[in-house]
Amino acid sequence: SQTIHQWPATLVQPVGSPLSLECTVEGTSNPNLYWYRQAAGRGLQLLFYSVGIGQISSEVPQNLSASRPQDRQFILSSKKLLLSDSGFYLCAWSRFGRATNTGELFFGEGSRLTVL
Amino acid sequence: GDSVTQMEGPVTLSEEAFLTINCTYTATGYPSLFWYVQYPGEGLQLLLKATKADDKGSNKGFEATYRKETTSFHLEKGSVQVSDSAVYFCAAFSNDYKLSFGAGTTVTVRA
Repeated sequence: SQTIHQWPATLVQPVGSPLSLECTVEGTSNPNLYWYRQAAGRGLQLLFYSVGIGQISSEVPQNLSASRPQDRQFILSSKKLLLSDSGFYLCAWSRFGRATNTGELFFGEGSRLTVL
Repeated sequence: GDSVTQMEGPVTLSEEAFLTINCTYTATGYPSLFWYVQYPGEGLQLLLKATKADDKGSNKGFEATYRKETTSFHLEKGSVQVSDSAVYFCAAFSNDYKLSFGAGTTVTVRA
């Protein structure tokens, strides 16, 4: 069966510090990978998605970046955090390809980031 | 692109009350439709889905019917429990890589 894990679960960082959130998927090959952000009291905002190694699509301009160094690894980074980066970050995967991708997303447990 | 509009919250109910959360979508074709649920402090998990018109998705006592004529996918449960307190997201998927989410509706059920 497939599993997805992301870490750390909770992070408190000062403004201007760097960020690295990691997500890994097991039990499937060549998944589509996603990073979402959920700000307090707000809906889900798609930040990045990736359909393959080294292929990253950015949905919103910001000081965050994403990388996919391996097939089932997706990393969210920042060189200098802002207060507005605080939120709940969710990694997700879906099956690759139009024939098999029903649109269903499988989410990780989430990472809560507080920037002070 | 696709967009999803769902009922604003928060919604507060008593146990055993009837719950409805409205959801409508805008899409060029006939998207697959989903309801996701997020319990406090957790990630999202799929609650139910429907992939074509008139399909009814159901799970844990919740139901939603894909209505093409009204472009809607309203979520209903006949008798809610305290454990149903969560944030509910409606979502639509067409033929690209992205799922479009509604803003989420926070539901609180009181004992």
